[in-house]
Amino acid sequence: SQELEQSPQSLIVQEGKNLTINCTSSKTLYGLYWYKQKYGEGLIFLMMLQKGGEEKSHEKITAKLDEKKQQSSLHITASQPSHAGIYLCGAVHHQFARAGGTSYGKLTFGQGTILTVHP
Amino acid sequence: KAGVTQTPRYLIKTRGQQVTLSCSPISGHRSVSWYQQTPGQGLQFLFEYFSETQRNKGNFPGRFSGRQFSNSRSEMNVSTLELGDSALYLCASSWHNVNTEAFFGQGTRLTVV
Repeated sequence: SQELEQSPQSLIVQEGKNLTINCTSSKTLYGLYWYKQKYGEGLIFLMMLQKGGEEKSHEKITAKLDEKKQQSSLHITASQPSHAGIYLCGAVHHQFARAGGTSYGKLTFGQGTILTVHP
Repeated sequence: KAGVTQTPRYLIKTRGQQVTLSCSPISGHRSVSWYQQTPGQGLQFLFEYFSETQRNKGNFPGRFSGRQFSNSRSEMNVSTLELGDSALYLCASSWHNVNTEAFFGQGTRLTVV
């Protein structure tokens, strides 16, 4: 099973509609990153969440981290065609600690959510 | 501030050959991580370098290797290419990496024929 599950796998919305993408971890979360990707291109950093209950917003995108549920949600308000793309969540599953820790550099990613916004 | 630069953007190689990909991180960033992205497996962690030292490694065969230079630029090398190595290779740059913002390059699209 996936360590990080995203839902839904794909989403088609009409411009102006709100939408939510969820990311659920099967392991303890020590950090959660959200990225957007256009097909075949690099990942665009959206937000990083570290603490339970943390919520961040950028323009019309808000992300929250629910530590108890080991879950994060990404909410887009009044969607626009420019929001279309693949949304990926990436988790830090290991606590940073002493030298030799295995947390360095490794983000575990979900399979992504493909968002289509119809004008 | 310039972003993360990966070169080349596209590569076509023949099975059995080797390839070297380059990643120049954001100025001041010392951590570089590499990922492989394929339609079937998604994004998978290859390895991470910090101050010229490999600190972490994913579950890839020894044909995949990397290094980091004193200016934080990193290269990854794949020897004896296989068809299954065809993928988008992405590098991520961050100041320290542990729970700091990580920015990705545009990737190198490798096609093995």
